[in-house]
Amino acid sequence: GNSVTQMEGPVTLSEEAFLTINCTYTATGYPSLFWYVQYPGEGLQLLLKATKADDKGSNKGFEATYRKETTSFHLEKGSVQVSDSAVYFCALSFSGGYNKLIFGAGTRLAVHP
Amino acid sequence: GAVVSQHPSRVICKSGTSVKIECRSLDFQATTMFWYRQFPKQSLMLMATSNEGSKATYEQGVEKDKFLINHASLTLSTLTVTSAHPEDSSFYICSAQSLGVRVAGDNEQFFGPGTRLTVL
Repeated sequence: GNSVTQMEGPVTLSEEAFLTINCTYTATGYPSLFWYVQYPGEGLQLLLKATKADDKGSNKGFEATYRKETTSFHLEKGSVQVSDSAVYFCALSFSGGYNKLIFGAGTRLAVHP
Repeated sequence: GAVVSQHPSRVICKSGTSVKIECRSLDFQATTMFWYRQFPKQSLMLMATSNEGSKATYEQGVEKDKFLINHASLTLSTLTVTSAHPEDSSFYICSAQSLGVRVAGDNEQFFGPGTRLTVL
């Protein structure tokens, strides 16, 4: 079946540290891949996406590259801020859109000053 | 823009009672709304997809008589947990979708903040 696996959290970093949150997927076919972020008390927000192999999604300093050969979509940021503290969800979907999103378990990031 | 609200944010009820959760798109009309359930430290699991004016489509393993979904208007969907039991305690999240809300031609889902249901 189709599934998404994320690294377990929490991830605790100091401000300006480099961030990587690993995400791998299992899928029959070629899905679109997403990263969502959930700040405390708010709903999930789309952070970035990639719709085909080798695409790179980027937003707010975050990047992720769709790697078909390793079935991965790791999230990276070169220098995190306290305001990046949130829960990050990796997800996949088929048919080019956002229907029937399949989520990973989420990774909590805590950034300290 | 593209704000989705849920009400209530938190509810505690006795076993055997029914609980209604509302999901509203505040500044756009949603052709489709989704209901998810999230267990602690687990991923969001899609429960059902609803389109305005038609019956919801439930995912495999979700009891449609247990989780009643009504999508009566383009801005409101409700999830009713009927005869709730402690195993129904969970975090319920809705999302709303419509073409071109934020990006032309895009079909992004916008998520509500969730409702924490505790059944005693």
